Amino acid sequence: DVKVTQSSRYLVKRTGEKVFLECVQDMDHENMFWYRQDPGLGLRLIYFSYDVKMKEKGDIPEGYSVSREKKERFSLILESASTNQTSMYLCASRPGGGNRWHEQYFGPGTRLTVT
Amino acid sequence: QKEVEQNSGPLSVPEGAIASLNCTYSDRGSQSFFWYRQYSGKSPELIMSIYSNGDKEDGRFTAQLNKASQYVSLLIRDSQPSDSATYLCAVKNTGNQFYFGTGTSLTVIP
Repeated sequence: DVKVTQSSRYLVKRTGEKVFLECVQDMDHENMFWYRQDPGLGLRLIYFSYDVKMKEKGDIPEGYSVSREKKERFSLILESASTNQTSMYLCASRPGGGNRWHEQYFGPGTRLTVT
Repeated sequence: QKEVEQNSGPLSVPEGAIASLNCTYSDRGSQSFFWYRQYSGKSPELIMSIYSNGDKEDGRFTAQLNKASQYVSLLIRDSQPSDSATYLCAVKNTGNQFYFGTGTSLTVIP
C-alpha cells in the first residue's frame, strides 16, 4: 500500500521565518511533487523532482525552494515566510515514466498559517 | 485561458439521483484525463482515469470523454451522502504537464 507522509498536519509560523515542510514516500517512486491548494485556485504545482538531487520549477515557484537528497524524501523550503504563503500544501509521488499519472498518490497535507 | 476549467458549484442532488460533473480543457492534444475525489480536510484520491473517447464505467461512476469538444465529465449514479465531496478534474497535456481544475463541490442530500 502506497504511503506518502508529511511531517506536520498543521503549522503556524511568523512572517520572515524559514519554514521546512518534509515529505516521505515508501514506494520507491522516482517522481515527487509539491502543490499548494487555495480556494478558488485549485491545486497548483510549486516544484517537482524526477530523481535524487534533480528539481524542476512548477507553475508558482517564487518564494520556494526544494531539496531532494534521498529518493524517498522531498523537502519544500520557504526561505522567508510571508502571509500570502498561508495555504494547504500537498506532497505527491508517482513512479517514473510519462504515462503513470494514474499512480500519483498524495500525502495528507500540511495546513500552514503565516501570521 | 485556464488549462482545465470546472464549474465550482456547489452542486446539490437528492440521494439516489444522478450527479453530473463537467470539465473542459484547453490543450486539444491532451491524452489523459482523471477525476479525483477530495473529502473536506483530506487529500485528493483518484477515482477514475480515461484515455479514449467514449464512456468508461466503474461501479456507480462513469467517466465520459469527448476529445473533439475538449470535454470530460463524471456521472455518479445512485448518489449517496458519502459521495459528498469536492471532485477535481485533472488533465495531462501534450507537454506531459499535469493540471487540476479548481474542483466542483457536490452535496448529496439524504
